Amino acid sequence: ETGVTQTPRHLVMGMTNKKSLKCEQHLGHNAMYWYKQSAKKPLELMFVYSLEERVENNSVPSRFSPECPNSSHLFLHLHTLQPEDSALYLCASSQAEGHEQFFGPGTRLTVL
Amino acid sequence: EDQVTQSPEALRLQEGESSSLNCSYTVSGLRGLFWYRQDPGKGPEFLFTLYSAGEEKEKERLKATLTKKESFLHITAPKPEDSATYLCAVQNGGYQKVTFGTGTKLQVIP
Repeated sequence: ETGVTQTPRHLVMGMTNKKSLKCEQHLGHNAMYWYKQSAKKPLELMFVYSLEERVENNSVPSRFSPECPNSSHLFLHLHTLQPEDSALYLCASSQAEGHEQFFGPGTRLTVL
Repeated sequence: EDQVTQSPEALRLQEGESSSLNCSYTVSGLRGLFWYRQDPGKGPEFLFTLYSAGEEKEKERLKATLTKKESFLHITAPKPEDSATYLCAVQNGGYQKVTFGTGTKLQVIP
């Protein structure tokens, strides 16, 4: 595997389900990110981890919970989602602050 | 608050017809301006980073330029495979201060 990988690629879940998105980077980077991409809207930064420490983002609802067990892996735990949470969720990594980000292919999430 | 505005929203070109995409930004203390390409159903792919006004970078048919208020992505003699959405982003300060534009959807017709 090379670059940034994400699983699953597609996910359909009910509002009461609990699921997790997984991201893995094979680039040796120090920072990892979760983004939400909705139609006609700019990419929305949700969470950032730098050297496995989380940078808070207060605007994200608590039904989204990130986890970064090591510098190569990032999870986004989902519970009690709403239909408006349906979107493409992108993971990215970068070598350091201010550097370009490398994105995974995304997980297309549909909440019924 | 940092702002990024991309224009046009959509652009349709004939193959070989050169044009430019615009990214206007307002940011306090630009640390970097990034261009990405995104194909349908895929994550953005990094193209360029520009750090200071006057800087230019080229890659194949693409050339990115930067001034204190905007950046241009020039596409010379585009081909159908250049069709994609092009995203611009600015970074100000720490990791969380990244602001993306909504993108320009480019279609190149054979």
